Amino acid sequence: EAEVAQSPRYKITEKSQAVAFWCDPISGHATLYWYRQILGQGPELLVQFQDESVVDDSQLPKDRFSAERLKGVDSTLKIQPAELGDSAMYLCASSLGSSSPLHFGNGTRLTVT
Amino acid sequence: KQEVTQIPAALSVPEGENLVLNCSFTDSAIYNLQWFRQDPGKGLTSLLLIQSSQREQTSGRLNASLDKSSGRSTLYIAASQPGDSATYLCAGASGGSYIPTFGRGTSLIVHP
Repeated sequence: EAEVAQSPRYKITEKSQAVAFWCDPISGHATLYWYRQILGQGPELLVQFQDESVVDDSQLPKDRFSAERLKGVDSTLKIQPAELGDSAMYLCASSLGSSSPLHFGNGTRLTVT
Repeated sequence: KQEVTQIPAALSVPEGENLVLNCSFTDSAIYNLQWFRQDPGKGLTSLLLIQSSQREQTSGRLNASLDKSSGRSTLYIAASQPGDSATYLCAGASGGSYIPTFGRGTSLIVHP
């Protein structure tokens, strides 16, 4: 079965450094989501793409976070500079469309020291 | 804005017991409701997706129901097994962009 690929699996960085996460959705999935999950809580949406266009980034802290999906396939989420409060699991998900199930990758566990 | 609540936050049951997990949502104009399973340190695995026009979905020992009028969904797990131990999350999609909003999950432990 096709999977959503994410890398790296783990990332440790010092505060004020830049970090980047990569996601490759299931082939053919037009909709891509980035979620952040703090331990013990549910995932919270950061950004949603439809093909290469941003549909919703209202919860993305744009002073330090950026996301792109240039060719409408894979996507990169960047944080610069990282803060201690950014420590969390960053999850990527994709779907065929709004009426289809979400498929998640295994996430990137970020620790900011 | 859609808000999703899951009760209980944690549940511990003996193997073989039938159990129900609850999910409530504030916006009845929900497009669909999805249940997920999450193992520690892993991503989410989709279990069942219920469209707004449906009342329930079944997969093996799992049955999920949706009642839009009361703002509730339930996940029924029959004959629970230790391998069912995980966190179960529900997500309701609503709004113009059909963005799934998650609850905080129910942590389930099934002990032998």
